[in-house]
Amino acid sequence: EPEVTQTPSHQVTQMGQEVILRCVPISNHLYFYWYRQILGQKVEFLVSFYNNEISEKSEIFDDQFSVERPDGSNFTLKIRSTKLEDSAMYFCASSEWTSRTYEQYFGPGTRLTVT
Amino acid sequence: SQQGEEDPQALSIQEGENATMNCSYKTSINNLQWYRQNSGRGLVHLILIRSNEREKHSGRLRVTLDTSKKSSSLLITASRAADTASYFCATESNYQLIWGAGTKLIIKP
Repeated sequence: EPEVTQTPSHQVTQMGQEVILRCVPISNHLYFYWYRQILGQKVEFLVSFYNNEISEKSEIFDDQFSVERPDGSNFTLKIRSTKLEDSAMYFCASSEWTSRTYEQYFGPGTRLTVT
Repeated sequence: SQQGEEDPQALSIQEGENATMNCSYKTSINNLQWYRQNSGRGLVHLILIRSNEREKHSGRLRVTLDTSKKSSSLLITASRAADTASYFCATESNYQLIWGAGTKLIIKP
């Protein structure tokens, strides 16, 4: 069964460094998403992406964040200058079509630890 | 604003019993989805119910949606130890999922 994959599974970085989290969505899906979950807290929406542009973004998704689909398979989240409070699990998701009617499939997550 | 608030926050039952978790939300939705998360792991999609649907079944799962009360429930019948996990409802609105804090379900063998 097709699945969303994410790499790395765990990333440790120092404050102020740039990180890129990678995701490979399910191949025929058209909508892509990033969420994060700070330990012990709710899952929070960051951004949705369709047709090579951002569809929606939350207040969390400020200028330090960017997303890109550099080729036909990868979907990346970049954090330019990491802060301690960026430590969280980051989940990528994809859906076949608009999430108004189609479920989102999630990857296993990348645990980001900022020291 | 808070959306998708689950209750109870934690539920501990004996294996074989049924588990019911509830979710309330505030704004209008296109659909409501239930997910499961094992400790420290990824999110597994369980079931999606559209705003014009009232009930949906999938195996041992039964989900109801009452849009007039802005609430949903997830029933797991004949629970198993492997059902131990956190369960989240997420409401879809404006192309994003808004999540509740989850119900932590513990099934005692």
